[in-house]
Amino acid sequence: GAVVSQHPSRVICKSGTSVKIECRSLDFQATTMFWYRQFPKQSLMLMATSNEGSKATYEQGVEKDKFLINHASLTLSTLTVTSAHPEDSSFYICSARDRASGQYFGPGTRLTVT
Amino acid sequence: GENVEQHPSTLSVQEGDSAVIKCTYSDSASNYFPWYKQELGKRPQLIIDIRSNVGEKKDQRIAVTLNKTAKHFSLHITETQPEDSAVYFCAASGFNKFYFGSGTKLNVKP
Repeated sequence: GAVVSQHPSRVICKSGTSVKIECRSLDFQATTMFWYRQFPKQSLMLMATSNEGSKATYEQGVEKDKFLINHASLTLSTLTVTSAHPEDSSFYICSARDRASGQYFGPGTRLTVT
Repeated sequence: GENVEQHPSTLSVQEGDSAVIKCTYSDSASNYFPWYKQELGKRPQLIIDIRSNVGEKKDQRIAVTLNKTAKHFSLHITETQPEDSAVYFCAASGFNKFYFGSGTKLNVKP
C-alpha cells in the first residue's frame, strides 16, 4: 500500500527558531501533498496544498511567510515553521495524494515550542 | 469553500450494537467522500470511501451511504467491537482539496 513518512516525529525548539518538517511518499509519486495542523481532540485543519514544482496554495488565515512549504520533487515536501512561538505548538500531519486520488497520511510531527 | 459538519461529537455504544455517524457538506462540486479512523497519537487511516456516482458502499462491517441531493453522507458500523473505539473523521473532496469534519469519538463498551 501507499506509505508516507514524516520526519521528525517529535521536535522541541526554542521560541524564535525555525523548524523543518519533511514529508515523503515512499512507494508512489505524489503530485499533490497537503499539510494539516491538529490540536488536541480536534479535527485536522488544512493549512496548505503543495503541488510539485509550483507554489503552495495556503488556506485563509494561514501565514505563508511563517509556514514555508517547498515541494521540490514528486516524493518530498517540506514545511518550515519560521520564528516559532509557543502558540505554534501542535501536531502537524502531511498527506500525499496518489494518481488514483487516494490520500495517505504521514505519522505526524509533534512540535513543542518552549 | 467547503464546510463539512459531523455529528455526533461523541458516541458510546455497547459491543455488538451498531454505530452511525453523519456528515453534511456544502459544496455541490465535492465528489469524493472518505472516512478516516484515528487512534490516539496515530495518523488517520482510510477505512472506506465513496464517490458521488455511487449511493452506497459496503466493506464487511462498515458501510457508507451518500445522498447527493441532500448533501449528506453517513458511516455505519455494525456489530461493533472494542477495537472500533477511536475518533472517526469524514471528509469531502473536490478540485483536489480535502476538508474534514470535526470528528466523532466512538467508544465501544465491552
